[in-house]
Amino acid sequence: GAGVSQSPSNKVTEKGKDVELRCDPISGHTALYWYRQSLGQGLEFLIYFQGNSAPDKSGLPSDRFSAERTGGSVSTLTIQRTQQEDSAVYLCASSREAGTYEQYFGPGTRLTVT
Amino acid sequence: AQSVSQHNHHVILSEAASLELGCNYSYGGTVNLFWYVQYPGQHLQLLLKYFSGDPLVKGIKGFEAEFIKSKFSFNLRKPSVQWSDTAEYFCAANGASGTYKYIFGTGTRLKVLA
Repeated sequence: GAGVSQSPSNKVTEKGKDVELRCDPISGHTALYWYRQSLGQGLEFLIYFQGNSAPDKSGLPSDRFSAERTGGSVSTLTIQRTQQEDSAVYLCASSREAGTYEQYFGPGTRLTVT
Repeated sequence: AQSVSQHNHHVILSEAASLELGCNYSYGGTVNLFWYVQYPGQHLQLLLKYFSGDPLVKGIKGFEAEFIKSKFSFNLRKPSVQWSDTAEYFCAANGASGTYKYIFGTGTRLKVLA
């Protein structure tokens, strides 16, 4: 079946603007994760959703960042009032369930804030 | 605080050389451990994982890793690398109970010379 998809693949925005990044997980996967990948920084956990449980938002770096997952499927990561330090690749992953199951990663969205 | 450390940031090897990439974790309680790989231009994908049982786990493409609880380590090994193993390798951990957020290391860039 289809893998995890993300859109847009690239986004250039001006400092101070809001952006929305979209993730379509693999059908049937109940867990969905967002990460930020900056050069030399590895993958930084942002948030994860597991079924209908309250999401774990402990990795969101500031209140400018928020995410939602509608109907247990598609997820949107929103960054308000973007800053230059928000420039990074934002990765989404899904898995059958949170825990020991393999995560399947999407191609990422490269965000550049000018 | 939970953390995953990868001490080798860049590794250069010749084909047929043996590989060992270090990974140390700091995690309260039981932990699940993973190695992911990102080949140039491709998505992150799972190499192998450990969550219980035999501490020596085998993954795809001839890779293996050994969980040594007393050393809080999960080093990745391959007896003979190939040019096609050129990639970035990430060690990751999540808790076996409670939150399943993943903590990733900063990654190791491996370059194999033909």
